[in-house]
Amino acid sequence: EDKVVQSPLSLVVHEGDTVTLNCSYEVTNFRSLLWYKQEKKAPTFLFMLTSSGIEKKSGRLSSILDKKELFSILNITATQTGDSAIYLCAVGGYGGSQGNLIFGKGTKLSVKP
Amino acid sequence: EAGVVQSPRYKIIEKKQPVAFWCNPISGHNTLYWYRQNLGQGPELLIRYENEEAVDDSQLPKDRFSAERLKGVDSTLKIQPAELGDSAVYLCASSLGRGRIEEYFGPGTRLTVT
Repeated sequence: EDKVVQSPLSLVVHEGDTVTLNCSYEVTNFRSLLWYKQEKKAPTFLFMLTSSGIEKKSGRLSSILDKKELFSILNITATQTGDSAIYLCAVGGYGGSQGNLIFGKGTKLSVKP
Repeated sequence: EAGVVQSPRYKIIEKKQPVAFWCNPISGHNTLYWYRQNLGQGPELLIRYENEEAVDDSQLPKDRFSAERLKGVDSTLKIQPAELGDSAVYLCASSLGRGRIEEYFGPGTRLTVT
């Protein structure tokens, strides 16, 4: 059965800290791994990763994928209170229902002033 | 570019009542998804449309849930009758399709069944 496991489930840090969020997966015919940030309600797209070892970067956020070990990490440096959110990892495969995204439960990040 | 639009944003109903949610995807996005998200969980797919065709409805509880996307643009998700366990956030998402799988989400509808 395809699954996505995120850790930790919750995390409390102080402004300025660096955090690493983890996502491991088992999926048939892996295609892509995606990271989303969810504040209030709507998940917003952060990154899509398809190739191992190539870091994607956007400001203080970066992510990398390891297709051999079947995991990805999302790093946030110099955290700010506005980074407080749930970070969702999702994995998609190829074809039919495998083309659907499977989401993890998310990591709830709280950044204290 | 306008994002995914959903309405209503909140809905409170009594059990056994019907309820409907509406979604308008990003213009030009062929693929539309309905998800349900329970507290502390990630979104779970209910149904996926490619244009007007429901290509995956395997997770849709068909005894009480129905969906349509008649003209391949906006979509409606209905629950009839609602049960207490249906309380959740219902998210709509869309993607370009044609090999582009990044999904863009609407603000969701928070349903409370009392």
